[in-house]
Amino acid sequence: KQEVTQIPAALSVPEGENLVLNCSFTDSAIYNLQWFRQDPGKGLTSLLLIQSSQREQTSGRLNASLDKSSGRSTLYIAASQPGDSATYLCVPGPSRFGAGTRLTVKP
Amino acid sequence: EAGVAQSPRYKIIEKRQSVAFWCNPISGHATLYWYQQILGQGPKLLIQFQNNGVVDDSQLPKDRFSAERLKGVDSTLKIQPAKLEDSAVYLCASSPRPGTDTQYFGPGTRLTVL
Repeated sequence: KQEVTQIPAALSVPEGENLVLNCSFTDSAIYNLQWFRQDPGKGLTSLLLIQSSQREQTSGRLNASLDKSSGRSTLYIAASQPGDSATYLCVPGPSRFGAGTRLTVKP
Repeated sequence: EAGVAQSPRYKIIEKRQSVAFWCNPISGHATLYWYQQILGQGPKLLIQFQNNGVVDDSQLPKDRFSAERLKGVDSTLKIQPAKLEDSAVYLCASSPRPGTDTQYFGPGTRLTVL
């Protein structure tokens, strides 16, 4: 059974900081890993998807890495902005979510 | 392109009552997922359909929950009878194919059981 842990559970930073969100999982037999963003009271938005054969993906200020052998993924957010405030969820496929990291970026 | 549609958006019922949620995935998406998200937790997969067949229902409480996907398009999730601990947001998602593709989520249905 896949167990997913996200650290930290909550994070508060001033605007402009670079930050790293961590995700670890117990079963390395995954076919992809996704990072989602969830805003309060809203659905989930996919940020990045890394296929199992890839090691990282980048989109704008976001970069996600995947190390299947160690069961780890990191989401790097550069130059954080208040609009980045949300909960970030890691999902090693298939479809097993972590509890998320709640990020607050202060102006 | 229209997104994943869900209805109703909110539902309040009393325990032991029945409730049903509806989901219409993105056109052409073969895979449909139902998740339960309890406040403060990540979504938990309840059931995954590939077309109209069930791929994974290992976390579905089958004594009270049921789901179907007629003709491989729309899907309905039912709870009968509801318990207090079923209070949660029920999320529907779809993807073109299982495994390799991004999941697209609907807005969810917030269920409150009194």
